[in-house]
Amino acid sequence: KAGVTQTPRYLIKTRGQQVTLSCSPISGHRSVSWYQQTPGQGLQFLFEYFSETQRNKGNFPGRFSGRQFSNSRSEMNVSTLELGDSALYLCASSLGDREAFFGQGTRLTVV
Amino acid sequence: AQSVTQLDSHVSVSEGTPVLLRCNYSSSYSPSLFWYVQHPNKGLQLLLKYTSAATLVKGINGFEAEFKKSETSFHLTKPSAHMSDAAEYFCVVSERGSQGNLIFGKGTKLSVKP
Repeated sequence: KAGVTQTPRYLIKTRGQQVTLSCSPISGHRSVSWYQQTPGQGLQFLFEYFSETQRNKGNFPGRFSGRQFSNSRSEMNVSTLELGDSALYLCASSLGDREAFFGQGTRLTVV
Repeated sequence: AQSVTQLDSHVSVSEGTPVLLRCNYSSSYSPSLFWYVQHPNKGLQLLLKYTSAATLVKGINGFEAEFKKSETSFHLTKPSAHMSDAAEYFCVVSERGSQGNLIFGKGTKLSVKP
């Protein structure tokens, strides 16, 4: 069974641009969550989607948004990028209340 | 509100000696607790989980953790460290039945000396 797949693995963007990251969950998993990992703040929860609906949201500005498609694949979008958005963005999928499985992440660098 | 405190940001052990990574949690609900490991430039891998069954939880690669409600602790141990155990370890809490919103500790970096 394939694991959680995140694309792209690496991304370099300029301040003010926007970016879209993609996550394909494990087959059959309907919950997809996104996390931001930085050296200073550690791992922080962004949002969770379940059956195309946002179920939980972390404490991030509205520039961070996401969506989930009918096949459970998810995208997150960051608009008007800032230098501080440079981070490893991790996606996790889970089946009901079982443990979360993480992808390898997308490393975003904002210059 | 839930929170997790990992008491050591860095732990260094010699190969073959025991490992102890400490974690305290705070939760208003019956929590689920996890330990994840992250090797450099890799995603997170689940080591073990506690979800109200046995308080002593065995995980992969010889790791285990004990849930102590009276001490609000969930420390990770391994009898004998291996070089391949060098990585960053995260203690994680979530509300029971909701693994979509995980609260992570700041992480403990484990170094293993030959």
